[in-house]
Amino acid sequence: SQQGEEDPQALSIQEGENATMNCSYKTSINNLQWYRQNSGRGLVHLILIRSNEREKHSGRLRVTLDTSKKSSSLLITASRAADTASYFCATADTGRRALTFGSGTRLQVQP
Amino acid sequence: KAGVTQTPRYLIKTRGQQVTLSCSPISGHRSVSWYQQTPGQGLQFLFEYFSETQRNKGNFPGRFSGRQFSNSRSEMNVSTLELGDSALYLCASSFNPTGGQETQYFGPGTRLLVL
Repeated sequence: SQQGEEDPQALSIQEGENATMNCSYKTSINNLQWYRQNSGRGLVHLILIRSNEREKHSGRLRVTLDTSKKSSSLLITASRAADTASYFCATADTGRRALTFGSGTRLQVQP
Repeated sequence: KAGVTQTPRYLIKTRGQQVTLSCSPISGHRSVSWYQQTPGQGLQFLFEYFSETQRNKGNFPGRFSGRQFSNSRSEMNVSTLELGDSALYLCASSFNPTGGQETQYFGPGTRLLVL
């Protein structure tokens, strides 16, 4: 079963705009990871944030984590058409080796 | 380094048959995990192997099995295929033996269609 939900399920924006996706989860975690998937292909790792971190940046990506609310957000700034993809959050429960994925957000960036 | 490779990339089988999928992890990675992705259930964990031992298993029936070889390559097998087994099967590897506790690198997947 899914760990939690991602919000929104789908997002359509114009090139140059920012895109924000949210993820909620249910259990105690060691880390939360964000992945990108293009058209049903493999998952590309974007960023990992540990439970003791609140914010992390990587290029145009900014991830926040609020363990008290069991939620995370992914911000993509200055979006490009190439950012069109599905984005998934995945959590690693404390003591468990498996990743539990959210339902994903489909991002469409219009050129 | 070469990434995670999966073979075959596409597969068509009929109900009742069995199938074997293969995964070669990134060189030096010893943890291999398998996931199933379907439109209805999303991404779900199947099992994880480290040093030829299954360390963790998801909630799938016994028709789904796997193994890992001494060179860390892994195979998963699905017996008595059902229509609902049609999915994208993804393999992921990581260096650290804690599997999902660290970054996992995914292969391109094997798309299985059961007719």
